[in-house]
Amino acid sequence: GDSVTQMEGPVTLSEEAFLTINCTYTATGYPSLFWYVQYPGEGLQLLLKATKADDKGSNKGFEATYRKETTSFHLEKGSVQVSDSAVYFCAPRGGSQGNLIFGKGTKLSVKP
Amino acid sequence: EAGVVQSPRYKIIEKKQPVAFWCNPISGHNTLYWYRQNLGQGPELLIRYENEEAVDDSQLPKDRFSAERLKGVDSTLKIQPAELGDSAVYLCASSPQGRSGNTIYFGEGSWLTVV
Repeated sequence: GDSVTQMEGPVTLSEEAFLTINCTYTATGYPSLFWYVQYPGEGLQLLLKATKADDKGSNKGFEATYRKETTSFHLEKGSVQVSDSAVYFCAPRGGSQGNLIFGKGTKLSVKP
Repeated sequence: EAGVVQSPRYKIIEKKQPVAFWCNPISGHNTLYWYRQNLGQGPELLIRYENEEAVDDSQLPKDRFSAERLKGVDSTLKIQPAELGDSAVYLCASSPQGRSGNTIYFGEGSWLTVV
């Protein structure tokens, strides 16, 4: 079945550091790919998405590129802020009516 | 525009008691989802509705969980009786019907503690 693998957390960075969170997936067909973010005590919010190969999703300084050949969708940000501290979930969504498939998420802590 | 609304936000019950969660999706969204998120884990799908029809309930523990979506809008998820292992966050989500590229929008969640 469909699955997703994210790098294990927690990830601890200093403010203004560069962030990469690796994500690889297995999915039937041609999935759309999503990154969601969950702040403490809240639900999931869409961070960015990409729906076809080589598409780049971006939002709030975060970027991720749909790499079909490596089945990856790594999340990057050039300079993190304390307010970016949250749990990040990579989630493929396959098929015409597919469900989102979540991994365990990666917890990011940014120190001032 | 209002997002996905869930209630209650927090619920503490004793084991063997019943509990119900309510969800109002974004207006016009035909597809509604219930996910369960255990502490430190990602959400797992319990059930998906297309309008009034439950099209994927393979992960719903049917001995104690039930759900309904009357009139294809609001939905209720019920647990009866609750067990200690049901302590989790129950997330409702909705999306427009159709392509996998459509965004799925989540509510704030209902936090259940069973004691």
